[in-house]
Amino acid sequence: QKEVEQNSGPLSVPEGAIASLNCTYSDRVSQSFFWYRQYSGKSPELIMSIYSNGDKEDGRFTAQLNKASQYVSLLIRDSQPSDSATYLCAVDRRGSNYKLTFGKGTLLTVNP
Amino acid sequence: DGGITQSPKYLFRKEGQNVTLSCEQNLNHDAMYWYRQDPGQGLRLIYYSQIVNDFQKGDIAEGYSVSREKKESFPLTVTSAQKNPTAFYLCASSTQGINEKLFFGSGTQLSVL
Repeated sequence: QKEVEQNSGPLSVPEGAIASLNCTYSDRVSQSFFWYRQYSGKSPELIMSIYSNGDKEDGRFTAQLNKASQYVSLLIRDSQPSDSATYLCAVDRRGSNYKLTFGKGTLLTVNP
Repeated sequence: DGGITQSPKYLFRKEGQNVTLSCEQNLNHDAMYWYRQDPGQGLRLIYYSQIVNDFQKGDIAEGYSVSREKKESFPLTVTSAQKNPTAFYLCASSTQGINEKLFFGSGTQLSVL
């Protein structure tokens, strides 16, 4: 089983819609979860971090964590064309000095 | 402005040649990392360093070498032993601790001539 799995997409949504990005992880004791946004040819930038079960909201972004199901998601409300990018899920590896493991990313396209 | 500077932006390697990618940070972060990204793939850890004069291999260290002589600098050498070096290389740093929020440089695209 891969450590961090994401649907590679592409996920296509119309402008103004809600985009839902999902990530599952295999290390049951992971405690830190991150979402990074990466535009084509650019480096990743951190947009959300979450450490506790439940929802965490920051502007148009909401991260959701369910440790029992080993599932973390990112919701983007009122999607804009500028949100079109690859979204990377990252999870810490408790058994490996807390290094992060990244998923392959989900390509999101927001259509005007 | 604080940040991470990677250079060069583009680099070409000839057969049998070693090349070095530069990474400098002025964020006063203790930990620094090198990742490799192939098209359509996630980031894979090459090497990381948590303190000056110490570093550890990541998941794909073969064919690479690093040094950490200064807190601010963590150069990566891609040696001739790395047979498939074409990739986007990302340097990152973070404060020490459990919650590792990584800050990335702008990346170096390495290609083989």
